[in-house]
Amino acid sequence: AQSVSQHNHHVILSEAASLELGCNYSYGGTVNLFWYVQYPGQHLQLLLKYFSGDPLVKGIKGFEAEFIKSKFSFNLRKPSVQWSDTAEYFCAVNAGNDYKLSFGAGTTVTVRA
Amino acid sequence: DGGITQSPKYLFRKEGQNVTLSCEQNLNHDAMYWYRQDPGQGLRLIYYSQIVNDFQKGDIAEGYSVSREKKESFPLTVTSAQKNPTAFYLCASLGTARIYGYTFGSGTRLTVV
Repeated sequence: AQSVSQHNHHVILSEAASLELGCNYSYGGTVNLFWYVQYPGQHLQLLLKYFSGDPLVKGIKGFEAEFIKSKFSFNLRKPSVQWSDTAEYFCAVNAGNDYKLSFGAGTTVTVRA
Repeated sequence: DGGITQSPKYLFRKEGQNVTLSCEQNLNHDAMYWYRQDPGQGLRLIYYSQIVNDFQKGDIAEGYSVSREKKESFPLTVTSAQKNPTAFYLCASLGTARIYGYTFGSGTRLTVV
């Protein structure tokens, strides 16, 4: 069974700082990878996804993620965060043609103005 | 607008009672899912269904039951056998065109009183 690890439980940073959130998964075959964001009081929204092709994926709100197959990683990045990026971020993995989507424990990001 | 509707938004239950959470989608998606969200644990899969009249246990199915009599509906019953039912419950769906990703509802917060 696949599992997903997010390295940071809580990240605190100032506006304009760069953000990188780590995500590793444990599945050796073909995977589909996702990053979701949950803003306070709101439902989960898809930030970006990787199915195939260019391993550098660009998403909404200036986020991007890089799939490194050899490291089983799919880290999320943003060059310059804003206060409005304060939210909880979840990495998720779907293995090949499996219908199950497995989530990491989430990382809470707090951006100070 | 197409989407997933979860009701109610807040639900209170007395210990020993069963309660059913509603999830309806008008996206014509084949697959539907129930997740439980707890602080620091991310989203954990309870049950999922790939087609009508068929469903599979997820990682934490004990104390829960589901049905899938219609394509658009996937209700979750939290039974009295669930030892720690207070949580935030999320419903999701996935269409045949999986590249578009999973769609999530806005959730139901269940509190046992």
